[in-house]
Amino acid sequence: EIVLTQSPGTLSLSPGERATLSCRASQNVGSSHLAWYQHNPGQAPRLLIYGVSSRATGIPDRFSGGGSETDFTLTISRLEPEDFAVYYCQQYAFSPITFGQGTRLETK
Amino acid sequence: EVQLVESGGGLVQPGGSLRLSCAASGFTFSSDWMLWVRQAPGKGLVWVSRINSDGSSTTYADSVKGRITVSRDNTKNTLYLQMDTLRAEDTAMYYCGRGFSGNSFVLDHWGQGTLVTVSS
Repeated sequence: EIVLTQSPGTLSLSPGERATLSCRASQNVGSSHLAWYQHNPGQAPRLLIYGVSSRATGIPDRFSGGGSETDFTLTISRLEPEDFAVYYCQQYAFSPITFGQGTRLETK
Repeated sequence: EVQLVESGGGLVQPGGSLRLSCAASGFTFSSDWMLWVRQAPGKGLVWVSRINSDGSSTTYADSVKGRITVSRDNTKNTLYLQMDTLRAEDTAMYYCGRGFSGNSFVLDHWGQGTLVTVSS
């Protein structure tokens, strides 16, 4: 099973700042089978990015994804108040699909 | 608007059973793969099960294989998760999700979840 390790565990930033979240895979997952989700507790998780860098429908362009093989990033260019949430990466290159443990983005 | 609403969670004793439901609306339910994902308290997301559009193909995580059965009723636009021989480690929020058209292992819409607590 592929283990995804997200860092940092918690990221403290202010609105308007740039956020960079990391996701590292225990094995090469290629260049297309990685997704990112946003989750506010008590709400439904939301798909942000699929295929490493493709934004899901309705996702603002301040969200971008990149990387390949074992190292991936989610970047939020200018944080809005609604962006403070927990973010998960997911690999779907190999079964079983697996998720990272999450990065909590909190207001500084 | 796509909507997924889970129900059926609750408190159950170890060894007991529970059936979760996920009511779908706002899309052609019979055309899409569906998945279940769970999140134990304080932990990350874990994939549980996946079912194809007509219910003829199902897959499960090793941790639940033999104890959990996924099914669907396309006439009722409803997804189910039958959970038997429940253990304390099955305690989690259970989410249903729709498989993305580009790759059915990606969940492009999720419900808000239903909480299952296994405890005596």
